[in-house]
Amino acid sequence: ELKVEQNPLFLSMQEGKNYTIYCNYSTTSDRLYWYRQDPGKSLESLFVLLSNGAVKQEGRLMASLDTKARLSTLHITAAVHDLSATYFCAVDVPNFGNEKLTFGTGTRLTIIP
Amino acid sequence: DAGVIQSPRHEVTEMGQEVTLRCKPISGHDYLFWYRQTMMRGLELLIYFNNNVPIDDSGMPEDRFSAKMPNASFSTLKIQPSEPRDSAVYFCASSFTRGGRDEQFFGPGTRLTVL
Repeated sequence: ELKVEQNPLFLSMQEGKNYTIYCNYSTTSDRLYWYRQDPGKSLESLFVLLSNGAVKQEGRLMASLDTKARLSTLHITAAVHDLSATYFCAVDVPNFGNEKLTFGTGTRLTIIP
Repeated sequence: DAGVIQSPRHEVTEMGQEVTLRCKPISGHDYLFWYRQTMMRGLELLIYFNNNVPIDDSGMPEDRFSAKMPNASFSTLKIQPSEPRDSAVYFCASSFTRGGRDEQFFGPGTRLTVL
């Protein structure tokens, strides 16, 4: 059974600081997704990482994928308050094609002014 | 495109009542997913369809839950009879797999409260 673990589960950081969220998964997969969820809202797709070494950046967020280490990171640069949200990584389930995802537990990020 | 559409957005019902949640996927998408989100269990996949055919319903908690997709633009998730432990946010998502990216696009969710 594929397991997806995120850490930390909760992160409180000051504006202007840098930090990294980690996503580890237990079996081989070469597709990883990052989503953002604001309180009471739906999940919004942030990044799609489709191969080993993939790096994607959007504003103050940068995601990377190391399939050999089974690890993805979401790096936050110079955090601002509007990045406060819960961030989920999701991995496709081997042998089920690319359509079934297993989600991590989420990292609740709070940016303090 | 309007994105994935779900209705109702909020539903409050009493234990034992039937509840029907509705979803319209993004036009052209060939996969449709139903998820449930709670604080205790996080985001759980209940069932998904490919080209209107149920592929994996292993996440459906019990026989009280059923889902249908009569055509490419409509799906329902039914709970009969409902119980308080069914209270959760139910999300519908859709994806287009032939594009290579396979990312799932989520609807706004239905917040279900069973009293």
